[in-house]
Amino acid sequence: GQNIDQPTEMTATEGAIVQINCTYQTSGFNGLFWYQQHAGEAPTFLSYNVLDGLEEKGRFSSFLSRSKGYSYLLLKELQMKDSASYLCAVLDSNYQLIWGAGTKLIIKP
Amino acid sequence: DADVTQTPRNRITKTGKRIMLECSQTKGHDRMYWYRQDPGLGLRLIYYSFDVKDINKGEISDGYSVSRQAQAKFSLSLESAIPNQTALYFCATQIGGEVDEQFFGPGTRLTVL
Repeated sequence: GQNIDQPTEMTATEGAIVQINCTYQTSGFNGLFWYQQHAGEAPTFLSYNVLDGLEEKGRFSSFLSRSKGYSYLLLKELQMKDSASYLCAVLDSNYQLIWGAGTKLIIKP
Repeated sequence: DADVTQTPRNRITKTGKRIMLECSQTKGHDRMYWYRQDPGLGLRLIYYSFDVKDINKGEISDGYSVSRQAQAKFSLSLESAIPNQTALYFCATQIGGEVDEQFFGPGTRLTVL
C-alpha cells in the first residue's frame, strides 16, 4: 500500500530552527508537496520538489532524497505565526496526490 | 474577495437527509477537487473534475455524488447522510497540470447527527 509518515506533533521555540520530516512509500513518484494549514483554515502551498536536493524560499526550505523516500521541511527564525500543521503530499505514478496526516507544529515564546 | 468560496461554512444535519455543499471559484481554473479531512488522517479525495464534462471518482466516493455545473462551480452531494460523514470538507482548484499547486476553499464543517 501507499504510505506517508510524518510526526504527529512537534514543539519548537520562537526564533529557533525546526525540521519536519516526511518519509514515503508510494507506487511511483512524480513530486512531493508541502502545504501549511492553520487551525480551522485551508491548506496553502509552500513548496514542490521533484529533483533531489534543497530548495530555499525565504525562511522555509524543502529537501528531497528520492533514493531514501525522504523529505524534510526546514523552518528558520521561527515566528509565532508559524504555529500550524504542515502537510506532506506525494504525487504517485498515476499522478494522484497521497497526503500525510500532517505535523502539528507548536511554537513557544 | 476570496478566489475559492464554499457554502455553507458550517452545517448540522440529521442521518438520512440529503445535503449539498457548493464550491465556486473565480480563478478560471479547469481542475476542481473535493476532499474530506478527518482528525489524524490525511486529506482524502472524494471526486475530481478536469473540465465541465469530466467527472472522476476519488479514493472515497461511495455515498457521495458531484455536479460540475460550470467551469466555476463544483457541487458535492450526500444523498443520505450518515454520522461517519461528519468531517471537514474542502474544495480545491488547480490551474492545469498535476504538478501545479492546488488552491483550497475555506472548508465546510459538516456534522451528521
